[in-house]
Amino acid sequence: GENVEQHPSTLSVQEGDSAVIKCTYSDSASNYFPWYKQELGKRPQLIIDIRSNVGEKKDQRIAVTLNKTAKHFSLHITETQPEDSAVYFCAASSGGSNYKLTFGKGTLLTVNP
Amino acid sequence: EPEVTQTPSHQVTQMGQEVILRCVPISNHLYFYWYRQILGQKVEFLVSFYNNEISEKSEIFDDQFSVERPDGSNFTLKIRSTKLEDSAMYFCASTFGAGRYTFGSGTRLTVV
Repeated sequence: GENVEQHPSTLSVQEGDSAVIKCTYSDSASNYFPWYKQELGKRPQLIIDIRSNVGEKKDQRIAVTLNKTAKHFSLHITETQPEDSAVYFCAASSGGSNYKLTFGKGTLLTVNP
Repeated sequence: EPEVTQTPSHQVTQMGQEVILRCVPISNHLYFYWYRQILGQKVEFLVSFYNNEISEKSEIFDDQFSVERPDGSNFTLKIRSTKLEDSAMYFCASTFGAGRYTFGSGTRLTVV
């Protein structure tokens, strides 16, 4: 089955700096890669996603890049703010008949004011 | 914005007891899921449900677990004979298709 590795497990940045979180996946059939933000005690919330037919997608301060050949994808957050502090999870799905997501272990991002 | 609702938000149960976790997915969604998250760990797939039947289940989803969609709106996860290691946050999710999930707010299950 799919295996998703995520790094780093913790990341601390100063407000205004950029943050990058990286994930690799194992199943070459995976074609959908979402990123979720989870604040303490709350549900995961989708912040951005990318499909395998594009290499990059941007939404304001957040961008995701995908390298299908190398089987890795990354989340980029620019101009970080304290409210960006949360756990971020990457995930991968091969679609198929049920769109099951396999998650990475998460990255605790702390943005220091 | 439509939401996935889960009840209860917190359930405490004694080891060996049965629990039922309830979810109301978004009404026009077709795929339904249960995931769990042990404190501080990643979100793990339990089971997916489509067209009124299980489409896939993980190794975690053994005979202790079952799912039902009894009335076309509710989607339940039953855990028989709970164990201490079943303590976790359980999330229901649904999607119309193409993978974009909406997660419920979760049920924190504590087995004592």
